Amino acid sequence: EPEVTQTPSHQVTQMGQEVILRCVPISNHLYFYWYRQILGQKVEFLVSFYNNEISEKSEIFDDQFSVERPDGSNFTLKIRSTKLEDSAMYFCASSVRDNYGYTFGSGTRLTVV
Amino acid sequence: GDSVTQMEGPVTLSEEAFLTINCTYTATGYPSLFWYVQYPGEGLQLLLKATKADDKGSNKGFEATYRKETTSFHLEKGSVQVSDSAVYFCAPLLTQGGSEKLVFGKGTKLTVNP
Repeated sequence: EPEVTQTPSHQVTQMGQEVILRCVPISNHLYFYWYRQILGQKVEFLVSFYNNEISEKSEIFDDQFSVERPDGSNFTLKIRSTKLEDSAMYFCASSVRDNYGYTFGSGTRLTVV
Repeated sequence: GDSVTQMEGPVTLSEEAFLTINCTYTATGYPSLFWYVQYPGEGLQLLLKATKADDKGSNKGFEATYRKETTSFHLEKGSVQVSDSAVYFCAPLLTQGGSEKLVFGKGTKLTVNP
């Protein structure tokens, strides 16, 4: 069964450093998403991406965040200057169309120290 | 605005007990409805879905019926197993901020004891 692949599974970074979280969506999917889950809390929408541009972003997705699909297969989330409160599990998801279920990756646990 | 309300846990059951996790939503239309499951240390897996009124989604013994009259999508299982211990998320496709997206409930942690 096709999978969404995320790397790394766990990343530890110092506050103020830049991190890039990587995702390989399912190959025929057109819609891409990032969500995050702070430990023990709800899963929150960050951003959606379609046709090489952001469709929508949440209030969490401020100027420190950016997304990119650099080569037609990878979908990356960059945090320019990490803060302690960015520590969370970040999930990438993709979907074949915008009213269909999403397939999620297994997540990247980001720890900012 | 569109929103989802999910029964909060934690829920602790004995093996073979009956499970219900309530989920209701507020929406302007008839959204597609999903349940996701997160096993310990893992990501989010689609458990089941229903895309129109009266549809019943089912998988691994779990069921949920799309009830448009009560805007509900309650998750049920007749006989839970220890391996069902996980966090369950109700997630309708709702319109928030101008576009449709999966909006997750707060999650219900289920623990099944032998």
